[in-house]
Amino acid sequence: EAQVTQNPRYLITVTGKKLTVTCSQNMNHEYMSWYRQDPGLGLRQIYYSMNVEVTDKGDVPEGYKVSRKEKRNFPLILESPSPNQTSLYFCASSSPQGSWTDTQYFGPGTRLTVL
Amino acid sequence: QKEVEQNSGPLSVPEGAIASLNCTYSDRGSQSFFWYRQYSGKSPELIMFIYSNGDKEDGRFTAQLNKASQYVSLLIRDSQPSDSATYLCAVKIWANNLFFGTGTRLTVIP
Repeated sequence: EAQVTQNPRYLITVTGKKLTVTCSQNMNHEYMSWYRQDPGLGLRQIYYSMNVEVTDKGDVPEGYKVSRKEKRNFPLILESPSPNQTSLYFCASSSPQGSWTDTQYFGPGTRLTVL
Repeated sequence: QKEVEQNSGPLSVPEGAIASLNCTYSDRGSQSFFWYRQYSGKSPELIMFIYSNGDKEDGRFTAQLNKASQYVSLLIRDSQPSDSATYLCAVKIWANNLFFGTGTRLTVIP
């Protein structure tokens, strides 16, 4: 089954404790992206990756890191989480064939709470 | 600033009625437009996309695009209680990056 997976699905942690949220896709997609979703603010892009070893900042990159060492995986790293990073996080992927109609497929989400 | 505006709602319609969801965007370079449906606590799922002016129909859903007015809409015919969700409008301006509106919450009343 074609899918984007994220782990963990739920995480409660404390301020300053480094964490990683994993994202993996089995569709051989080149493009991957991380979003956070907060009430009233919608989905905002954190980082994206056009291909292996190519990453770039989205609209809200502060406090986050990413890496793209292999095509299928795109982990999101919070080196020193703070309470304002409490949010619902989504990973997405798509295949950039150069078409304006390439669609993004979302993972199930990770609900993160930072105390 | 790439802005995508949606009325947050809630929009309530009776079962069987037509639900009309609207979205405006600020960047005239926007090339394609996507509608996603999101149930509470779940991930967005694609309903349809449109990139040419006019209407595009897919089952009970019709997307309408007017690039001159920078306006895109989604019509849901014969609305069902299962259509109750938040509908996200997204705009693609360059590369594969999507810019999302904050969503419109739709409630279909049985």
